[in-house]
Amino acid sequence: GAVVSQHPSWVICKSGTSVKIECRSLDFQATTMFWYRQFPKQSLMLMATSNEGSKATYEQGVEKDKFLINHASLTLSTLTVTSAHPEDSSFYICSATTGARSTDTQYFGPGTRLTVL
Amino acid sequence: QKEVEQDPGPLSVPEGAIVSLNCTYSNSAFQYFMWYRQYSRKGPELLMYTYSSGNKEDGRFTAQVDKSSKYISLFIRDSQPSDSATYLCAMSGNTGGFKTIFGAGTRLFVKA
Repeated sequence: GAVVSQHPSWVICKSGTSVKIECRSLDFQATTMFWYRQFPKQSLMLMATSNEGSKATYEQGVEKDKFLINHASLTLSTLTVTSAHPEDSSFYICSATTGARSTDTQYFGPGTRLTVL
Repeated sequence: QKEVEQDPGPLSVPEGAIVSLNCTYSNSAFQYFMWYRQYSRKGPELLMYTYSSGNKEDGRFTAQVDKSSKYISLFIRDSQPSDSATYLCAMSGNTGGFKTIFGAGTRLFVKA
């Protein structure tokens, strides 16, 4: 149980295009979903916290208009990287929890590797 | 100073060795301590979860927390090649809305 999927697993796009990444909890309802970014050999950096039906809470330094998050249902959250540029290339990982705090067990998706040319 | 410090390694050990992975932290408000394992190109999976100081054992894995020293450890006994992965420590507490802070991760290689 507690499986989280992400789609796509990898994507290559041209600079200036937008990319949508989906995060789904397959066998449970996720009250809260988190979006992380991970650079090679670096830790997971929390980008935003997303609760179903409400606006996402972004971490300091994360551009809301650049990284659009939608949490339309208890099983789906999407991250859209708008007007992507090479510096946005990274590994994006989502996690989901049935609780409301990050201390509740987070179940991570397999990640999406984004490469912007 | 980073809130959580973790040596990125890599750490290479022979099969059967005892592995010790460590993290230090600076925020005394952290109360929840976790270890995640992340295989290449995969998302992290939770290995161990402890609250406050003390030891917790689960099979070949032992998590240790020393709040007085702000130091946590993960021990792996009888290490196997399948244990080769990146191990991330993580912690949270009554700070920043219980946001979880991750270490950079230590890459572990267990040689057969």
